[in-house]
Amino acid sequence: TQLLEQSPQFLSIQEGENLTVYCNSSSVFSSLQWYRQEPGEGPVLLVTVVTGGEVKKLKRLTFQFGDARKDSSLHITAAQPGDTGLYLCPSGSGGSNYKLTFGKGTLLTVNP
Amino acid sequence: DTEVTQTPKHLVMGMTNKKSLKCEQHMGHRAMYWYKQKAKKPPELMFVYSYEKLSINESVPSRFSPECPNSSLLNLHLHALQPEDSALYLCASSPIWGSHGYTFGSGTRLTVV
Repeated sequence: TQLLEQSPQFLSIQEGENLTVYCNSSSVFSSLQWYRQEPGEGPVLLVTVVTGGEVKKLKRLTFQFGDARKDSSLHITAAQPGDTGLYLCPSGSGGSNYKLTFGKGTLLTVNP
Repeated sequence: DTEVTQTPKHLVMGMTNKKSLKCEQHMGHRAMYWYKQKAKKPPELMFVYSYEKLSINESVPSRFSPECPNSSLLNLHLHALQPEDSALYLCASSPIWGSHGYTFGSGTRLTVV
């Protein structure tokens, strides 16, 4: 069973600050996705990374996949209140019985 | 159309009621999923449908009954629920089962009284 850890679990910052959240796994990801879930809404897919060492940018968000494909980070520059939400990096496992399983996530609050 | 639409958005039901949650997508996705999310917790998988066939049931109580009448629709029939079943019920879809990147609906907020 793949063990998934996200850190920090909670993060409260002021608008304009930078931050990084982390996703670590006990085993290799075949691919890794980051989702953001706003209160009362479903998770929204932000990015999928596949190749070790890959870096993807989405405006102020920078996603990095570790060389060994067992960890990933999400860096947000100049955070805005609209970035508030639960950031999730689920793991996929089970081979022919594939399941996407979510860890606890990082709950980010950006205060104006 | 790149959305998963869930109805109703909110539902309050008594423990003796029968109700249904509906999920619809028109992206041609052949895998659809039900997740349950309690407050301040991550989503938990309930059911997986692949090509309209139930592929995974995560030991969900029989008071939850899923149905996939066609490739665009997924229902969750509810009967004799308990207050602890109150949660956000999320539907998701993906091109095929095992593909990466799910599209989630906004969920149905269910309250059992």
